[in-house]
Amino acid sequence: DSGVTQTPKHLITATGQRVTLRCSPRSGDLSVYWYQQSLDQGLQFLIQYYNGEERAKGNILERFSAQQFPDLHSELNLSSLELGDSALYFCASTVVGGRADTQYFGPGTRLTVL
Amino acid sequence: GDSVTQMEGPVTLSEEAFLTINCTYTATGYPSLFWYVQYPGEGLQLLLKATKADDKGSNKGFEATYRKETTSFHLEKGSVQVSDSAVYFCALFNQAGTALIFGKGTTLSVSS
Repeated sequence: DSGVTQTPKHLITATGQRVTLRCSPRSGDLSVYWYQQSLDQGLQFLIQYYNGEERAKGNILERFSAQQFPDLHSELNLSSLELGDSALYFCASTVVGGRADTQYFGPGTRLTVL
Repeated sequence: GDSVTQMEGPVTLSEEAFLTINCTYTATGYPSLFWYVQYPGEGLQLLLKATKADDKGSNKGFEATYRKETTSFHLEKGSVQVSDSAVYFCALFNQAGTALIFGKGTTLSVSS
């Protein structure tokens, strides 16, 4: 158990819909990362937050957004969903986000878009 | 940009066999290098890491050495067990210092 929690574990929805994925970091960690894992693209970095502020963006679509709240939990919002958005979405947390820091991953949310 | 290349899988071995999973990277400077493991139905777990050239990371019998001259970070284990069956990801912390860049993963299957 990494100490990072993600809900829900599974999500099935239809094209065009909007969903919210939730992540609670390990106690004491200030930085949260979101990753997407799909068969064709592999594991890709989406976005990073540090202590409530957006710090870095990766390959995140404009239809996707995220935020980190004062209690440090984070939410990833996916809208106008397409079939290709079906994937495993992981969040990871670390104390600060330095280059040598270990990122601790949650168990993931599996999104299926029908 | 920064990238990681791993050997294609799946890798199928018998118990107690020697394991090597090749990993090479492209990056400017001296990125930190990591091996993560993903067991079926679970998230990624850090297996080992190395933060500078010639460092050797080790954990649970797995080892990898940061080779700057060959830009490699190959994973090795002397004697694999059935419980090592999983997907292994090589990764680097990118030049911008923002996030991990992963290889495509190598599936290891160990039979008794």
